[in-house]
Amino acid sequence: QITLRESGPTLVKPTQTLTLTCTFSGFSLSARGVGVGWVRQPPGKSLECLALIYWDDDRRYSPSLENRLSITKDTSKNQVVLTMTNMDPVDTATYFCAHSYYSSLLDVWGQGTTVTVSS
Amino acid sequence: DVVMTQSPLSLPVTLGQPASISCRSSQSLLFSDGSTYLSWFQQRPGQSPRRLIYKVSNRDSGVPDRFSGSGSGTDFTLKISRVEAEDVGVYYCMQSTHFITFGQGTRLEIK
Repeated sequence: QITLRESGPTLVKPTQTLTLTCTFSGFSLSARGVGVGWVRQPPGKSLECLALIYWDDDRRYSPSLENRLSITKDTSKNQVVLTMTNMDPVDTATYFCAHSYYSSLLDVWGQGTTVTVSS
Repeated sequence: DVVMTQSPLSLPVTLGQPASISCRSSQSLLFSDGSTYLSWFQQRPGQSPRRLIYKVSNRDSGVPDRFSGSGSGTDFTLKISRVEAEDVGVYYCMQSTHFITFGQGTRLEIK
């Protein structure tokens, strides 16, 4: 059974850097074809994919946020880390991580973690 | 970015009646490998999104067969043959042919 769980700060100040961790089980990020993505959802709004990382360390970023994002993996810990720099109140959202397998994207999601950006 | 436009944004439906949601993309979603990467997600109140359909018409494991997807190119549809109470929530289409973008969401409620 695949499970994912997001963790990180619930409150960050404007201009700070956000670091979120996705800890997963039921699959290995060293297995061919496997990937993990991050998606966020501002309150009452739609979904926005931020980044994905694959088993071979291929990384894909949202074109509009690429200069603020970094995604890395620690295969031994079964974790994926997303960092987002220069946080702003508009970045207030629930952040989800989700499993992918080749082109079958975001098939299993974590419960999400809520991040508020405020001074 | 590929823009995904859903309609309607609000969908009141009587229990047992059918429902249909449209999703249009600003570019063709046909990929060079011959596949079309259009998925549908359901988000029940207070829950994470759940994928229902991938590659236009393939149901995920455990998804009731009253859910079906169709379409090609830039026009896609999610249909629920008979709406049940547990179907209440917001439905999103997502394209992954050109990175990933989602539609605005369609809120299904029971009339």
